[in-house]
Amino acid sequence: QQKVQQSPESLTVSEGAMASLNCTFSDGTSDNFRWYRQHSGKGLEMLVSIFSDGEKEEGRFTAHLNRASLHVSLHIREPQPSDSAVYLCAVSHNVGDNSKLIWGLGTSLVVNP
Amino acid sequence: EAAVTQSPRNKVAVTGGKVTLSCNQTNNHNNMYWYRQDTGHGLRLIHYSYGAGSTEKGDIPDGYKASRPSQENFSLILELATPSQTSVYFCASGPDWEDTQYFGPGTRLLVL
Repeated sequence: QQKVQQSPESLTVSEGAMASLNCTFSDGTSDNFRWYRQHSGKGLEMLVSIFSDGEKEEGRFTAHLNRASLHVSLHIREPQPSDSAVYLCAVSHNVGDNSKLIWGLGTSLVVNP
Repeated sequence: EAAVTQSPRNKVAVTGGKVTLSCNQTNNHNNMYWYRQDTGHGLRLIHYSYGAGSTEKGDIPDGYKASRPSQENFSLILELATPSQTSVYFCASGPDWEDTQYFGPGTRLLVL
């Protein structure tokens, strides 16, 4: 079964400095890769999904996928204190004709003013 | 943006009691999901549904039942609640398996 690991567990950056989060997975045949954000006590908000090797940008959030390296990253440009949250990586896993998401444990990001 | 609501937002139950968590979505999505989130485990899929009348087992279905009486509503039922079911439960909906899942705000359940 697909295994998803995120690093680092926690990350502190200053406002305006690039934040980079990592996600590794065990099965490179997955179809899609998603990054979600969860503010404390809230539900999850999807930030970006990526299906092909390379880069996908959604506003200040950019995902990089390299299937050969079993790695997908999230880069947050000009992070703000309001970006402080837990960031979750989710990787699709095929089950018969359908697929489900396998989730990482998250990276806790703190952005200091 | 998809609207997914959950009720109650917080619940305290006693061991052996019956608990029903409700989820409603107003975007006509076919798929709905129930997850639980625990420290050290991440999100784990309990049950899911393809549409009204369908329920399927996820990765950790034991101790839980689900009901999808309509396109909009998906319930999670704990017939005999146990302390190990203390967790935060999230409902999500999505148009299809390959599409974005939209999450509700979560229900915090404490079983004493």
